[in-house]
Amino acid sequence: DAGVTQSPTHLIKTRGQQVTLRCSPKSGHDTVSWYQQALGQGPQFIFQYYEEEERQRGNFPDRFSGHQFPNYSSELNVNALLLGDSALYLCASTTKRDFKGTDTQYFGPGTRLTVL
Amino acid sequence: AQSVAQPEDQVNVAEGNPLTVKCTYSVSGNPYLFWYVQYPNRGLQFLLKYITGDNLVKGSYGFEAEFNKSQTSFHLKKPSALVSDSALYFCAVRDEYSTLTFGKGTMLLVSP
Repeated sequence: DAGVTQSPTHLIKTRGQQVTLRCSPKSGHDTVSWYQQALGQGPQFIFQYYEEEERQRGNFPDRFSGHQFPNYSSELNVNALLLGDSALYLCASTTKRDFKGTDTQYFGPGTRLTVL
Repeated sequence: AQSVAQPEDQVNVAEGNPLTVKCTYSVSGNPYLFWYVQYPNRGLQFLLKYITGDNLVKGSYGFEAEFNKSQTSFHLKKPSALVSDSALYFCAVRDEYSTLTFGKGTMLLVSP
């Protein structure tokens, strides 16, 4: 049973560029969330996708956008990169079948983004 | 707004001794509480969660956590620490309608 997978593992970009990160959820999961973990901090929620729509969003600017595909995989896009966007980007998957907030999110290994 | 506090940046314990990693929370509705562990250059691994019921929750790798509603706490515990338990531990909270909010993390160092 494959867990959550993310690609690429590492990425180096320069300021102003755009980046796309990818995530495949755990088998049987239909909901994907993205988190940003800055150095020395806990993960911060960016947004969540379910049924190919953004359902919830954290306090992140519109430069951060996403997409979910029919196979439940997801992409995170960041435009006009800033130095402060350097972080570990984590994808987490779950299933929303119960819609009670009790579901467990399972995390991928993350993508380390460095902006120079 | 919901929040999580992990008051200790680092906890040091000798192998074989009991360990406690502290967490307090604030949330509007019924709290759903989670503990995750992160090893260097890795994602977060789920340890355990409290949804309802027994205040003592047992999880993976011998860890357990005690939910205390009056003190709004959810401390992580283990009776006998291993060197391999050394890692970064995160407490997280949500209610029925919100997303996960994480604490800043506590580094656990277990010495041989």
